[in-house]
Amino acid sequence: ILNVEQSPQSLHVQEGDSTNFTCSFPSSNFYALHWYRWETAKSPEALFVMTLNGDEKKKGRISATLNTKEGYSYLYIKGSQPEDSATYLCAPQSNDYKLSFGAGTTVTVRA
Amino acid sequence: SAVISQKPSRDICQRGTSLTIQCQVDSQVTMMFWYRQQPGQSLTLIATANQGSEATYESGFVIDKFPISRPNLTFSTLTVSNLSPEDSSIYLCSVQQALTEAFFGQGTRLTVV
Repeated sequence: ILNVEQSPQSLHVQEGDSTNFTCSFPSSNFYALHWYRWETAKSPEALFVMTLNGDEKKKGRISATLNTKEGYSYLYIKGSQPEDSATYLCAPQSNDYKLSFGAGTTVTVRA
Repeated sequence: SAVISQKPSRDICQRGTSLTIQCQVDSQVTMMFWYRQQPGQSLTLIATANQGSEATYESGFVIDKFPISRPNLTFSTLTVSNLSPEDSSIYLCSVQQALTEAFFGQGTRLTVV
């Protein structure tokens, strides 16, 4: 199980504004990097699975980048909407396939 | 993709009792995972449950406290035994194949009083 840091722990965004936050992880034994969105009273939902250094993935207004050499990933939300309010979890996957989750960044979008 | 039905969604239990959580998957999967999220903490892997073999526990988790069954490729249970207030957490089951995304149950919110 890897040591994963997510920053910030929480943030508040005005509706329509864009935001981003980070995930740091050990670069050794890297296999993949997962991002999940977890809304209250629901199951965590996968956003992205990234494997290659320099990967960029996009899903609607949400995108993510990956730097495996230095061990970090950014998640971006463009034009935040109230439905984006959730906790965003990153989880590097090591070569034994296990996921190590960060504590998450809780995003609150204010209308 | 996989759809996981997890029961119960929540429970309040007395100290010293046990709670068994069930997860049913709509397809056959090799590996199932059990996680715990204590208040203010990250999702922590408890164990990996493979069909036909003993579960593999992570550091800090033992079979006597968290016995797991995996009778077939679509079902697993986690029991949290001899409950104490420190066991109050959200428990999640999950399935995943190698490089694909993980799918989760709806979670079980346990409160021990």
